[in-house]
Amino acid sequence: GAGVSQSPSNKVTEKGKDVELRCDPISGHTALYWYRQSLGQGLEFLIYFQGNSAPDKSGLPSDRFSAERTGGSVSTLTIQRTQQEDSAVYLCASTLTGIGGYTFGSGTRLTVV
Amino acid sequence: TQLLEQSPQFLSIQEGENLTVYCNSSSVFSSLQWYRQEPGEGPVLLVTVVTGGEVKKLKRLTFQFGDARKDSSLHITAAQPGDTGLYLCAGAPPSNYQLIWGAGTKLIIKP
Repeated sequence: GAGVSQSPSNKVTEKGKDVELRCDPISGHTALYWYRQSLGQGLEFLIYFQGNSAPDKSGLPSDRFSAERTGGSVSTLTIQRTQQEDSAVYLCASTLTGIGGYTFGSGTRLTVV
Repeated sequence: TQLLEQSPQFLSIQEGENLTVYCNSSSVFSSLQWYRQEPGEGPVLLVTVVTGGEVKKLKRLTFQFGDARKDSSLHITAAQPGDTGLYLCAGAPPSNYQLIWGAGTKLIIKP
């Protein structure tokens, strides 16, 4: 596609429910990142995928968070048993090779009530 | 752990004024990127600086990379309301794929 697409754009969920966030990167981009952003602040790294290599999961805040990337393209970020502190904007970005400028999606605003 | 300190955190000025945003680190970066983010959108890349001492201009925005490649600045001349947004700097450490992000500068330009 022309840009990075994320869905849904907004998600309100009850505490304790599981949620899935989707990212469709730019076609041909081998590197994909997930970040979390709270209240218009800086970006918190979550996970990085590069081609067929094992993902770098070092930024995932707890074992309730997981992500996968199927066929080197679409990625889903899953949060199990959501907590109120999970409320944030979740941003996905892709790059051609893992270096250079990132292209971000518009994010998913997650609200846990 | 590499850090990138960005200042100021918040800046509210009148249209027509000049301003400078700084990103500083004690570590060397192979390149440094500047992004602008508007509400409800993801950050958008403005510029990448690579060479120590490099200066890049984008209309009224001037970006500098320090000689030692540890710091960078963004200067806006005659700020306009359309410049309002969150400005983020991000440094690329040598031999590391993961960008180091500043905490952001929230800029408001009042008409």
